[in-house]
Amino acid sequence: GQNIDQPTEMTATEGAIVQINCTYQTSGFNGLFWYQQHAGEAPTFLSYNVLDGLEEKGRFSSFLSRSKGYSYLLLKELQMKDSASYLCAALTNAGKSTFGDGTTLTVKP
Amino acid sequence: GAGVSQSPRYKVTKRGQDVALRCDPISGHVSLYWYRQALGQGPEFLTYFNYEAQQDKSGLPNDRFSAERPEGSISTLTIQRTEQRDSAMYRCASSSTYTDTQYFGPGTRLTVL
Repeated sequence: GQNIDQPTEMTATEGAIVQINCTYQTSGFNGLFWYQQHAGEAPTFLSYNVLDGLEEKGRFSSFLSRSKGYSYLLLKELQMKDSASYLCAALTNAGKSTFGDGTTLTVKP
Repeated sequence: GAGVSQSPRYKVTKRGQDVALRCDPISGHVSLYWYRQALGQGPEFLTYFNYEAQQDKSGLPNDRFSAERPEGSISTLTIQRTEQRDSAMYRCASSSTYTDTQYFGPGTRLTVL
C-alpha cells in the first residue's frame, strides 16, 4: 500500500528558514518528488530525490532517507511569494505516484 | 506545445450526462497521468499510460470512468452518467518516461449539477 504524511499547515517569517517533513510507506519505492502549488494553480516541480542525501537547488533543498521512509524540503531566505502548498509524492518502480495532501505554508512579514 | 494543455478548462454538466476531458501532453512525452484533486488535498492518482498502453487504472473510482490514449499522444478521460460527487478538478500530467518529473496541465474544473 501507499501512505504519505506531511503536516497540514506551517507558518514562518520572511527571511527565515523552514523545513517541511514528509514520511512515506510505499511498496516498490523509486523516488520522492516535491511540488509547489499556489492557490488555483497547477503543481510545479521543485525536486526529485532517488538516492539518499541532500540535494540543493538555490534557496530550496531536499533530503531523502530511504531506510527511514523520510524526506524534507528546506526553504531558505523565505519570501512572501513562497506562501503556497507544498506537496510530496512517492513514485513507485511501476510508475504510480501517490501524493500527500500538502503542507500549506504561510510566510508572514 | 510548450506545456501540457487541457480542455475544456471549465465544464458544467447536469447529473446523468457523459463528459469527455482532453489532455494534450508535452510533445514527445511517453508517459501521461490523470489525477483528481479536491480542494485542500493533493492530487489523487486515477490512471496512467506509457505510449498508448494503459499501465495502471487502479485509481479509477468505478466503471463509469475510463481513459484512452489511442495514438500515444492526446488522451481523453471519459466519465459516464455523471454524479454530483464527480465534481472536482481533473489534472493531467506528462513525463518523458515513467520515472521522470511529471509536468502538470492547468486542469479541468468539472461541476456536476
